[in-house]
Amino acid sequence: AQSVTQLGSHVSVSEGALVLLRCNYSSSVPPYLFWYVQYPNQGLQLLLKYTSAATLVKGINGFEAEFKKSETSFHLTKPSAHMSDAAEYFCAVSSNNNAGNMLTFGGGTRLMVKP
Amino acid sequence: GAVVSQHPSWVICKSGTSVKIECRSLDFQATTMFWYRQFPKQSLMLMATSNEGSKATYEQGVEKDKFLINHASLTLSTLTVTSAHPEDSSFYICSASSSGGSYEQYFGPGTRLTVT
Repeated sequence: AQSVTQLGSHVSVSEGALVLLRCNYSSSVPPYLFWYVQYPNQGLQLLLKYTSAATLVKGINGFEAEFKKSETSFHLTKPSAHMSDAAEYFCAVSSNNNAGNMLTFGGGTRLMVKP
Repeated sequence: GAVVSQHPSWVICKSGTSVKIECRSLDFQATTMFWYRQFPKQSLMLMATSNEGSKATYEQGVEKDKFLINHASLTLSTLTVTSAHPEDSSFYICSASSSGGSYEQYFGPGTRLTVT
């Protein structure tokens, strides 16, 4: 079974500071990993994905994540936070449930950006 | 590309009535669609997976007779909440994926259901 743990349900940073959102996964097979962002009362928007190519993945809005197999981690970073980055972030791992490629989500991390 | 829509975006219904939520892939053929439920300040919980033309596969603990899922075409899946109760109030999100190996799902904007 797959699982995802996001350390820190809430993260607060100052505008311009480094953003680091942590994600650790458990998977019995090589994983496909995703980071999504969700703004209030909206669906999920894909930030980036790891699909066994380059371990450092660059996404939209200046975000990137590094896949570290030895640490079973896929942490999300952004060098300089912007007020518009305030949102809920979800890490997810993909697996196959015989009906389709399902996603297992972490608990989410709410990012707050202080002016 | 890869746009998924949901209708309605929000709905209020009375206890005991049924509500249908539509999920459409607008610019691609969705061989598989997923239905999630999200409670306030919580993560998404997968309810069921549906493949076009097949019966949906429900996750453990999800009542298939209460949450009816139909995936009759490659661009449309519907979720019907039957005999809704206040505890069914939630944010329902669908996603869709096409055949292929990217494992990527494209999410709809969600539907806020309130049962009074």
